[in-house]
Amino acid sequence: GAVVSQHPSRVICKSGTSVKIECRSLDFQATTMFWYRQFPKQSLMLMATSNEGSKATYEQGVEKDKFLINHASLTLSTLTVTSAHPEDSSFYICSARPPGVASYNEQFFGPGTRLTVL
Amino acid sequence: KQEVTQIPAALSVPEGENLVLNCSFTDSAIYNLQWFRQDPGKGLTSLLLIQSSQREQTSGRLNASLDKSSGRSTLYIAASQPGDSATYLCAVSPYYTGANSKLTFGKGITLSVRP
Repeated sequence: GAVVSQHPSRVICKSGTSVKIECRSLDFQATTMFWYRQFPKQSLMLMATSNEGSKATYEQGVEKDKFLINHASLTLSTLTVTSAHPEDSSFYICSARPPGVASYNEQFFGPGTRLTVL
Repeated sequence: KQEVTQIPAALSVPEGENLVLNCSFTDSAIYNLQWFRQDPGKGLTSLLLIQSSQREQTSGRLNASLDKSSGRSTLYIAASQPGDSATYLCAVSPYYTGANSKLTFGKGITLSVRP
């Protein structure tokens, strides 16, 4: 149980285009999902918290107009990188938290999406 | 602000060795601590989760301990195998503040187990 998928696993795009990444919880409903980015040999940095049916909460320094997050259902959150530039190239990972205190705030992570902007 | 440190950044050991990976954190007001494994180019796999009220958790050859007062956790791997080669990250969750409780990660320790 507690499987999270991401699509696509890898994407290459031209500078100036927009890219959408999907994060799905396959066997549980997630009212909260998290989006992280990871640079080589660096830790995961939280970008934003996605709440079903409401606006995402962005971390300091993350541009909400550049990284659009939509959490339209209890099993799907999307991250759209708008007008992508080479510096946006990174590994993007989502996680989902099952509801309820019994989950001990445990998060389950997707396999990640490697974005390369040319 | 919570900071999580994992030293050393990389470790190479021969197969069969027992080893300990260290994790330290600056703010002891945590809800839980998790150890993850990450293979190159892949997502995170949760290995062990320790609640703040617990001292250790075990799963197979893995044992994680938590000393909240001193801000330390260790991941013990018994009889290491080449398949254990990966990056191991620890992450702490602040004392439970609701659905948006955030994880703070260390940079990870890249383990290489030589055959």
